[in-house]
Amino acid sequence: GNSVTQMEGPVTLSEEAFLTINCTYTATGYPSLFWYVQYPGEGLQLLLKATKADDKGSNKGFEATYRKETTSFHLEKGSVQVSDSAVYFCALRGGGADGLTFGKGTHLIIQP
Amino acid sequence: DTAVSQTPKYLVTQMGNDKSIKCEQNLGHDTMYWYKQDSKKFLKIMFSYNNKELIINETVPNRFSPKSPDKAHLNLHINSLELGDSAVYFCASSPPGRANQPQHFGDGTRLSIL
Repeated sequence: GNSVTQMEGPVTLSEEAFLTINCTYTATGYPSLFWYVQYPGEGLQLLLKATKADDKGSNKGFEATYRKETTSFHLEKGSVQVSDSAVYFCALRGGGADGLTFGKGTHLIIQP
Repeated sequence: DTAVSQTPKYLVTQMGNDKSIKCEQNLGHDTMYWYKQDSKKFLKIMFSYNNKELIINETVPNRFSPKSPDKAHLNLHINSLELGDSAVYFCASSPPGRANQPQHFGDGTRLSIL
């Protein structure tokens, strides 16, 4: 079946630091990959997506590249802000399943 | 103009009670979902409905029953609530059969069982 593995937090960084959150997946076929963000007390918002190998998704300074050879979709940002503090979820859709398969989420804390 | 809305936002009730959570989407999507987020923030799909037909049921106890009066609504009814049902429940929707399309989520319903 499908599975997503992401680094577990909390991850604590200082403002303006470089961010990487690792995500790897297992799926049959060619799934689509997503990053969702959950701010405290809120629902999930789509951050970015990539639908085929070598695609790069980007939004709000965040980027992730669909790497089929390493089955990875790592999230990066060059300079984080306090407002980026949230829980980040890597997810996939496809591989025979219609619903999203999520990783366990990474809690990101940015300190001023 | 909220795309996916669910009510109530908070639900506090006692063990053994029966409760419902409502979900509505105004995106014109054909497929709707329910997810459960546990205390460790882990999200897992519970149900998927496409054109009023259940197409996924991921080992969820039969105390949970999704009900869809039309394609814009997918309500979740829970019988005989247990302590372990305490969680945040999210409704979502998406166009059907297009894996490259993201799902749009509601803000969640935080269910607490006393």
